[in-house]
Amino acid sequence: GQNIDQPTEMTATEGAIVQINCTYQTSGFNGLFWYQQHAGEAPTFLSYNVLDGLEEKGRFSSFLSRSKGYSYLLLKELQMKDSASYLCAVSLTGFQKLVFGTGTRLLVSP
Amino acid sequence: EAGVAQSPRYKIIEKRQSVAFWCNPISGHATLYWYQQILGQGPKLLIQFQNNGVVDDSQLPKDRFSAERLKGVDSTLKIQPAKLEDSAVYLCASSARTGLAKNIQYFGAGTRLSVL
Repeated sequence: GQNIDQPTEMTATEGAIVQINCTYQTSGFNGLFWYQQHAGEAPTFLSYNVLDGLEEKGRFSSFLSRSKGYSYLLLKELQMKDSASYLCAVSLTGFQKLVFGTGTRLLVSP
Repeated sequence: EAGVAQSPRYKIIEKRQSVAFWCNPISGHATLYWYQQILGQGPKLLIQFQNNGVVDDSQLPKDRFSAERLKGVDSTLKIQPAKLEDSAVYLCASSARTGLAKNIQYFGAGTRLSVL
């Protein structure tokens, strides 16, 4: 079976840094994606990791450790517009099916 | 570049009725996906097409759900008959093709279905 765990909800203050963790146990691994989803909207692509290490893209960074089955998304200089759900998804080998976690709802307060 | 288009945005039906959703993927994208997203959960893949062939429908409740992708472009997802537990957002996504190392899926805005 496939199992992807992430915290249900997190809160943070504008301007702060927040780290959203994701652990996974899957049969096959072809990369890990992070998506952002604002309420009532489509998920949008944030980052992709397939090798161990840190990928940085502006205020957002994502880390992967394949041996530990662990990833995190780091958001710096938080803004109110970052209030959204953050979805961790593992791409499986074969036809690269995406298996999503339940998502972490991030609330950014002033 | 136009994104993934879906219609309708909202649909309310009574249980045991039928409903259909339509999706137009990004032009040139070979792979199309239908997901079900229940409130408070992540999207769950229902079916994946590569061009007009099905490559994964392992989580599609085939007794009531059906999907087709004629000519490898547009796709429709149908539910017949609907049950209360089918209330969810149905998301369509597309990607250039499988086999790419970074196979990014682009999502449409979804159809929110309420079954009463």
